[in-house]
Amino acid sequence: GENVEQHPSTLSVQEGDSAVIKCTYSDSASNYFPWYKQELGKRPQLIIDIRSNVGEKKDQRIAVTLNKTAKHFSLHITETQPEDSAVYFCAAREGGGSQGNLIFGKGTKLSVKP
Amino acid sequence: GAVVSQHPSWVICKSGTSVKIECRSLDFQATTMFWYRQFPKQSLMLMATSNEGSKATYEQGVEKDKFLINHASLTLSTLTVTSAHPEDSSFYICSSVGESNYGYTFGSGTRLTVV
Repeated sequence: GENVEQHPSTLSVQEGDSAVIKCTYSDSASNYFPWYKQELGKRPQLIIDIRSNVGEKKDQRIAVTLNKTAKHFSLHITETQPEDSAVYFCAAREGGGSQGNLIFGKGTKLSVKP
Repeated sequence: GAVVSQHPSWVICKSGTSVKIECRSLDFQATTMFWYRQFPKQSLMLMATSNEGSKATYEQGVEKDKFLINHASLTLSTLTVTSAHPEDSSFYICSSVGESNYGYTFGSGTRLTVV
């Protein structure tokens, strides 16, 4: 089955700096890679996703890159703000189909210091 | 957009009792529903996958007789925690694939505390 590794587990940056979170996956058939932001006690909130036929996607301050050959994908947040502080999870859809379950990384607690 | 309504949002129960958690898809047909459990400061761990009209598929280490999943219709899936114990206290959350086959819709989660 799919295995997703996420690093770092904690990340502290100064406001305005960039933050990068990296994930690797094991199932070469995986075709969908979302990133979620989760606040305490709440549901994960999708912030950006990327499909396997794309190498990079950007949405304002957030970007995701995917290297299928190396089986890793990364989240980049630029110009970080205190409200970006949260736990971020990467995920990979298992199995390559369209209805497969998501396997999550262990999460990264991001702290943005003003 | 796709919405999954999950109830209750929190529940406190006595050890040995059973608790039912419901997830309803409000504006799409949830053929498949995924059930996750999240312990404090940990990630979401897949417990089981339920498909409408068939038996759920459980992940290794998840007791199917303890965590009963029913997916009798395309809009409703339930998880019943039977004979709950304090170690079952956790955040339970459901998720389904929306119509686009790429967007996953999460319920709001249920905080279960067993005392």
